[in-house]
Amino acid sequence: DQQVKQNSPSLSVQEGRISILNCDYTNSMFDYFLWYKKYPAEGPTFLISISSIKDKNEDGRFTVFLNKSAKHLSLHIVPSQPGDSAVYFCAASTLIQGAQKLVFGQGTRLTINP
Amino acid sequence: DAGVIQSPRHEVTEMGQEVTLRCKPISGHNSLFWYRQTMMRGLELLIYFNNNVPIDDSGMPEDRFSAKMPNASFSTLKIQPSEPRDSAVYFCASSLIPLHLEQFFGPGTRLTVL
Repeated sequence: DQQVKQNSPSLSVQEGRISILNCDYTNSMFDYFLWYKKYPAEGPTFLISISSIKDKNEDGRFTVFLNKSAKHLSLHIVPSQPGDSAVYFCAASTLIQGAQKLVFGQGTRLTINP
Repeated sequence: DAGVIQSPRHEVTEMGQEVTLRCKPISGHNSLFWYRQTMMRGLELLIYFNNNVPIDDSGMPEDRFSAKMPNASFSTLKIQPSEPRDSAVYFCASSLIPLHLEQFFGPGTRLTVL
């Protein structure tokens, strides 16, 4: 039973345009939501997070939106750059004995075309 | 500053053999996580440790899998006996709780079981 879903395995966007990556979840008890970025042959690296009590968090070119009623979050990248080409994972966390237990989506491969 | 270190980076073995994957977390971090990434299931949490103590091993797929953390700077994930369906990329991540929300991932070990 997949608690966190990224329904688009891939996305292709023109350089300079907006990239929108989507994520759905089923468990309303998650505390935080995170986005990770992964390049080939490397581990995922943290990008941005949002608390479950917020609906928007912005960091430079990256903005995450949370719609709790729809159990949906999205990552907006604007403007998109070639270096943004990577696999993006959405993750949801619950606090268990002091540590954040993360549940990841399947990932979306983003390709930025020059 | 060194990140999470994993060894080996690649492992090819035959079915039935014992496999040991190693992880050195970031110095000073007090929680450690083992993940497995496959095409079918994405990134799954296998087990995590707080202060060297296993807290949640509900993601460990079978008794063939075991993990230890004998001290704050070293952890192993062992598969015995290995099977072809264990072929995946195994990631180790560490974090400093409760300060960090995010986890810091190593580069992964790509395991191929023939």
